Amino acid sequence: ETAVFQTPNYHVTQVGNEVSFNCKQTLGHDTMYWYKQDSKKLLKIMFSYNNKQLIVNETVPRRFSPQSSDKAHLNLRIKSVEPEDSAVYLCASSSTGGYYEQYFGPGTRLTVL
Amino acid sequence: SQWGEENLQALSIQEGEDVTMNCSYKTYTTVVHWYRQDSGRGPALIILIRSNEREKRSGRLRATLDTSSQSSSLSITAAQCEDTAVYFCATTGNTGKLIFGLGTTLQVQP
Repeated sequence: ETAVFQTPNYHVTQVGNEVSFNCKQTLGHDTMYWYKQDSKKLLKIMFSYNNKQLIVNETVPRRFSPQSSDKAHLNLRIKSVEPEDSAVYLCASSSTGGYYEQYFGPGTRLTVL
Repeated sequence: SQWGEENLQALSIQEGEDVTMNCSYKTYTTVVHWYRQDSGRGPALIILIRSNEREKRSGRLRATLDTSSQSSSLSITAAQCEDTAVYFCATTGNTGKLIFGLGTTLQVQP
């Protein structure tokens, strides 16, 4: 049963365009994350948000920015996409006080032409 | 890097066989997570083993953890075609954030 929702499922765009991906979780978790997964399946954390505060930023390029309206939503905006941004972007959530078990959405596949 | 090179693997086995996937890590952790990722979906947690546990079982899955050698393994007994997926181990490291290994692609042939 999906409890972390992502839109869109996939997106194709041109170099230099701006894109935005949405993520919503219905688990009542207080921390949300964005991961980038490359073609070799390597998962790299990009951001995490806890109670609207950015607590992890893995030195991603400045054209990436997370946006959160409340603890159930964490969107990802990319200004001026580059070819190397082509990847699957995965949103996840977890609750504090546990072992950081993460629940993932299905991902958004971005292709930059 | 958090991980040893042996973590990146592709395995192909026949249905009914047992399989073990290994994971070694370089920094301290209080827990090792194992996730599986089906094609077109996000990873899903399948088993979690804490540093005070040497073994954890869940159905046909068995995870082990050796903190002295900083290694963990995931075994699947009598693999089925539906076990075909990418399997990741992940640790919390020193910062508490989850760091994923490189993943093992498992293909179970009928």
